[in-house]
Amino acid sequence: ETGVTQSPTHLIKTRGQQVTLRCSSQSGHNTVSWYQQALGQGPQFIFQYYREEENGRGNFPPRFSGLQFPNYSSELNVNALELDDSALYLCASSEGSNSPLHFGNGTRLTVT
Amino acid sequence: AQSVTQLGSHVSVSEGALVLLRCNYSSSVPPYLFWYVQYPNQGLQLLLKYTSAATLVKGINGFEAEFKKSETSFHLTKPSAHMSDAAEYFCAVSVYNQGGKLIFGQGTELSVKP
Repeated sequence: ETGVTQSPTHLIKTRGQQVTLRCSSQSGHNTVSWYQQALGQGPQFIFQYYREEENGRGNFPPRFSGLQFPNYSSELNVNALELDDSALYLCASSEGSNSPLHFGNGTRLTVT
Repeated sequence: AQSVTQLGSHVSVSEGALVLLRCNYSSSVPPYLFWYVQYPNQGLQLLLKYTSAATLVKGINGFEAEFKKSETSFHLTKPSAHMSDAAEYFCAVSVYNQGGKLIFGQGTELSVKP
């Protein structure tokens, strides 16, 4: 079975720009969760999507938004990028909102 | 509210020595606790989880952890370290027994010396 894949693997953006990160969930999974992992820190929960609806959100501003598509893949969008948005962004899929998480390898975003 | 504290951002052991990574939690409801491992440039892999069935939990790669409610701890141990154990380890807590919406600690980097 295909695992969770994220694209791109690395990305460099300038402060103020917008970015879209993509995640393909594992086959059979209908839930996607996004986490932000700053350098030297543990991952922080951004939000979760279950069957195309947002199903919980962490302490992140509205400029962090997401989408989940009918095939359960997902996008994370960040507007008005700030230097502190530089981090590894992890996507995890699961069979439901309360099922074991399967993580992708992440997208490394650098904001200059 | 829930939180996790990992004591020691870096731990170094010799190959064959005991591994002990410390985790303390805070939770206003019965917690579900998890340990994840992260190798360089990779995502997170679940090592083990506590979901109230048994206080001593065995995971993959020879790791185990014991839930101690009186100490609010969930320390990770392995009797004999292997070079391949060198990685970043994260303790996490959730109100969901399968790990939805995890709250992670800061992580502990484990180094293994030959």
